Amino acid sequence: LAKTTQPISMDSYEGQEVNITCSHNNIATNDYITWYQQFPSQGPRFIIQGYKTKVTNEVASLFIPADRKSSTLSLPRVSLSDTAVYYCLVGAHYSSASKIIFGSGTRLSIRP
Amino acid sequence: DTGVSQDPRHKITKRGQNVTFRCDPISEHNRLYWYRQTLGQGPEFLTYFQNEAQLEKSRLLSDRFSAERPKGSFSTLEIQRTEQGDSAMYLCASSPASGTQETQYFGPGTRLLVL
Repeated sequence: LAKTTQPISMDSYEGQEVNITCSHNNIATNDYITWYQQFPSQGPRFIIQGYKTKVTNEVASLFIPADRKSSTLSLPRVSLSDTAVYYCLVGAHYSSASKIIFGSGTRLSIRP
Repeated sequence: DTGVSQDPRHKITKRGQNVTFRCDPISEHNRLYWYRQTLGQGPEFLTYFQNEAQLEKSRLLSDRFSAERPKGSFSTLEIQRTEQGDSAMYLCASSPASGTQETQYFGPGTRLLVL
């Protein structure tokens, strides 16, 4: 099971691009990288998932280098509403549900 | 698609009482998960259903906890003889059979406070 490490907290300002990096040195060949966002008093929300290189959707981009030992979630032009906790997960498709580990996440605070 | 719903949203109970939470997954999602989340921590896996079958249970799920998913639709999580340490947010999530385990749709959670 690949363990992930991400910063406990980050601060930024409205309109800036925010990059949150997650380390997963022991990622396995079959593992995918998934990011969730969680607002206070709400359940987590799936943001993006990728295996290698770059994935982009309407919310964020996910950059994965060739060695896949880390990944970076990029949030373009953040706003106050992007203040949330962001979780990086690593796991294989159709792996055991009990092996899905959220960790403590990165608490992102956006200031005006 | 109304999303995953949970009921109640908040529950305050006295130590020793039994509580039951309900989760209604997104229709046609055959996978259902329960998690527990305490302040400052990420969700911790409790149990997993595929249709009506409970396929996985965490060691966190003591014998005071029981979950069911009759008919493979809604699910209930019961905690018997509650303890103060059970105070947490209980989250339910669902996912379709065609998706990955990591792609889950979460409900708003039930916040439990045991006095």
